[in-house]
Amino acid sequence: AQSVTQPDIHITVSEGASLELRCNYSYGATPYLFWYVQSPGQGLQLLLKYFSGDTLVQGIKGFEAEFKRSQSSFNLRKPSVHWSDAAEYFCAVGASYGGGGADGLTFGKGTHLIIQP
Amino acid sequence: DARVTQTPRHKVTEMGQEVTMRCQPILGHNTVFWYRQTMMQGLELLAYFRNRAPLDDSGMPKDRFSAEMPDATLATLKIQPSEPRDSAVYFCASGLGRGQRISYEQYFGPGTRLTVT
Repeated sequence: AQSVTQPDIHITVSEGASLELRCNYSYGATPYLFWYVQSPGQGLQLLLKYFSGDTLVQGIKGFEAEFKRSQSSFNLRKPSVHWSDAAEYFCAVGASYGGGGADGLTFGKGTHLIIQP
Repeated sequence: DARVTQTPRHKVTEMGQEVTMRCQPILGHNTVFWYRQTMMQGLELLAYFRNRAPLDDSGMPKDRFSAEMPDATLATLKIQPSEPRDSAVYFCASGLGRGQRISYEQYFGPGTRLTVT
């Protein structure tokens, strides 16, 4: 079964500084990887996804993530954070099937991002 | 702007009562997921449907939980009888599945916050 580890429960970053949120996954085949963001009291919004091809994927709100198969990682980055980026960030993995697919996702426990002025 | 809608947004009930949560997936989406979010367990997949048929409900306690899709525009999650340990935020998500098991992107609703006293 697949699993996702987000080793940082909380991260504090100064506004304008760069950000990297870590995500490691465990899955036997090529995974489908996602990053979601959740603001307080809200649902989850998809930031970006990786299925195949270019290992550096661009998402919304200036985020990007890099898939590194050798490290089983899919870290999320942003060059300069804004106060509005304060939220909970979830990494998720979906299983791949013949012909592709993701279906029910397995989520990490999340990283709470705090932005300091 | 197509969105997944969930009702009610908040529900407080007493132990032993029946709880019904409703979800309206995005029009045209044929896959509906139910997730539960708690502080201890994070986000867990409970069940999901493709073209109104249940594909996987292995994450759902069978003795008290039931999920159905009476029609393509409505998914329900029922708990009977409810218990304090069911207190959580329940999210519905929808996606477009192709082939056997494909839902590349999932769009989440705002969730139903359930408190069982």
